[in-house]
Amino acid sequence: GQNIDQPTEMTATEGAIVQINCTYQTSGFNGLFWYQQHAGEAPTFLSYNVLDGLEEKGRFSSFLSRSKGYSYLLLKELQMKDSASYLCAVRGGGNKLTFGTGTQLKVEL
Amino acid sequence: DARVTQTPRHKVTEMGQEVTMRCQPILGHNTVFWYRQTMMQGLELLAYFRNRAPLDDSGMPKDRFSAEMPDATLATLKIQPSEPRDSAVYFCASGREVGGNQPQHFGDGTRLSIL
Repeated sequence: GQNIDQPTEMTATEGAIVQINCTYQTSGFNGLFWYQQHAGEAPTFLSYNVLDGLEEKGRFSSFLSRSKGYSYLLLKELQMKDSASYLCAVRGGGNKLTFGTGTQLKVEL
Repeated sequence: DARVTQTPRHKVTEMGQEVTMRCQPILGHNTVFWYRQTMMQGLELLAYFRNRAPLDDSGMPKDRFSAEMPDATLATLKIQPSEPRDSAVYFCASGREVGGNQPQHFGDGTRLSIL
């Protein structure tokens, strides 16, 4: 089975940097995804990691350490629109994802 | 941009009634997923299809839920009879199972309330 842990909520200031952590224990691993979900909307894909290291996409970066079962999502130059839930998801067999319960990020002025 | 389309967007009905939710996956995607999202449990996988064949429905209560793909452009999730505890947002997602980095794309969901 899969077990995924993320903090329930975080608060950060506009313009700052925030790091959202995700730890996982899985019976199989074929990649880790981060999704963003605004209230009342669908999850949207942010990033994918399958090898150890950092993947950078504009203001968002994601890091993976397979040996530690650990990932983080780094958001730079925070904007008010970044207030959302951030979901960590691990892919096991096939294309099947197991999601964490999400981290609710609140960006304040 | 291609999108996953779900209908209806909202559904309110009384317990005991049949509920049918529909999903049109993105053209060319060969995997389809049904998820349920609640505040307490987060996103839970209910069923998973590859090339229209059901691969995994272990997350779905078999006595009242059923999922089918009558053709490549339509996936359905049915609840019969519905119960108040089924109230949740139901998402459909589709993806291409080629290459490791292909994400699942989600529809806007069906917000279901069972009274």
